[in-house]
Amino acid sequence: DAKTTQPTSMDCAEGRAANLPCNHSTISGNEYVYWYRQIHSQGPQYIIHGLKNNETNEMASLIITEDRKSSTLILPHATLRDTAVYYCIVRVAMTSYDKVIFGPGTSLSVIP
Amino acid sequence: DGGITQSPKYLFRKEGQNVTLSCEQNLNHDAMYWYRQDPGQGLRLIYYSQIVNDFQKGDIAEGYSVSREKKESFPLTVTSAQKNPTAFYLCASRQGWLQPQHFGDGTRLSIL
Repeated sequence: DAKTTQPTSMDCAEGRAANLPCNHSTISGNEYVYWYRQIHSQGPQYIIHGLKNNETNEMASLIITEDRKSSTLILPHATLRDTAVYYCIVRVAMTSYDKVIFGPGTSLSVIP
Repeated sequence: DGGITQSPKYLFRKEGQNVTLSCEQNLNHDAMYWYRQDPGQGLRLIYYSQIVNDFQKGDIAEGYSVSREKKESFPLTVTSAQKNPTAFYLCASRQGWLQPQHFGDGTRLSIL
């Protein structure tokens, strides 16, 4: 699985958009980009994933650059409950088993 | 609501004692996973199971054992052979190759 690089921490004002970047310059053509978040003392929560097209769901939007070497998770209107550690993961989905490899992630603090 | 239930939320183990962590899912998912998370670190795969009555070792299986007698249940036993069991244990499940893993809320194990 490709390695990802994320900023250690970020702040965002409540009600504003939170833009969380992720670099994955060694991503392969068959690797997907997944985003999870983990609120303290809880299990990771799946947010969104994509291959090369931009994706949107009820939680967030995922913007993947054309060369697929980086992506941005967008929380359109951040709330205090969005304070969490956000993990960007790239992995091949079509494997005999697909363990999830979490790096340190980005600690997002939403400020009132 | 469908989901993954882990119990207990907190567990204490005495020296030399085996303890079993419960993981139940009502999502009808085929694959189930056990991860260990240490403070400030990512997840490490302990065991996984693709189907009933079958399971495979992950990256750190020593000192742990599992069973998969029913599709909805994947208990993890932390044996006395695991010398450093204090950690946050997470269970996950997945249905389909392109689907993300969904996590339970974890069990925090400590040594008395």
